[in-house]
Amino acid sequence: DSGVTQTPKHLITATGQRVTLRCSPRSGDLSVYWYQQSLDQGLQFLIQYYNGEERAKGNILERFSAQQFPDLHSELNLSSLELGDSALYFCASSVASGPLYNEQFFGPGTRLTVL
Amino acid sequence: DQQVKQNSPSLSVQEGRISILNCDYTNSMFDYFLWYKKYPAEGPTFLISISSIKDKNEDGRFTVFLNKSAKHLSLHIVPSQPGDSAVYFCAAIRYGQNFVFGPGTRLSVLP
Repeated sequence: DSGVTQTPKHLITATGQRVTLRCSPRSGDLSVYWYQQSLDQGLQFLIQYYNGEERAKGNILERFSAQQFPDLHSELNLSSLELGDSALYFCASSVASGPLYNEQFFGPGTRLTVL
Repeated sequence: DQQVKQNSPSLSVQEGRISILNCDYTNSMFDYFLWYKKYPAEGPTFLISISSIKDKNEDGRFTVFLNKSAKHLSLHIVPSQPGDSAVYFCAAIRYGQNFVFGPGTRLSVLP
């Protein structure tokens, strides 16, 4: 158990809909990272928050947004969903503000299926 | 354009033998490399890492080798155990930037 929790575990929805994925980092970690893993692909970095502020952006679509709240949990919002958005979404956390060489601790992921 | 490649989607090895997982990268600016292991229904967990100033790092049964001139790294597991069966991701990072992950290799260790 990494100490990072993600809810829900599974999500099935239809095209055009909007969903929210939730992540709670390990106790004491200030950084939260979101990744997308599509079929047979590596983990694609989406976005990072540090202590409530956006710190880095990767290949995140404009239809996607995220935020980190004062209690440090984070939410990833996916809207106008398309079939291609079906993937595993992982959240990770770390102590420091930047990825640098810090170990990231991953949650179990949320599997999103768009029908 | 995949900057980190793991060209073997799967690998099967007999228990007790050596497992060798390979990873190639294209960006010569990467200066730190990591291996993560992932079991089904769990998130990836950190396994071992290596800085670009080294060519080998060892941790118990796990050894990572880095060949900078070939832009290639490999993970050796000796001896392999059934509990090592998992998907292994190679990741690379350039200082101050975010991780770039490979697509993973599924290792099956047969008893």
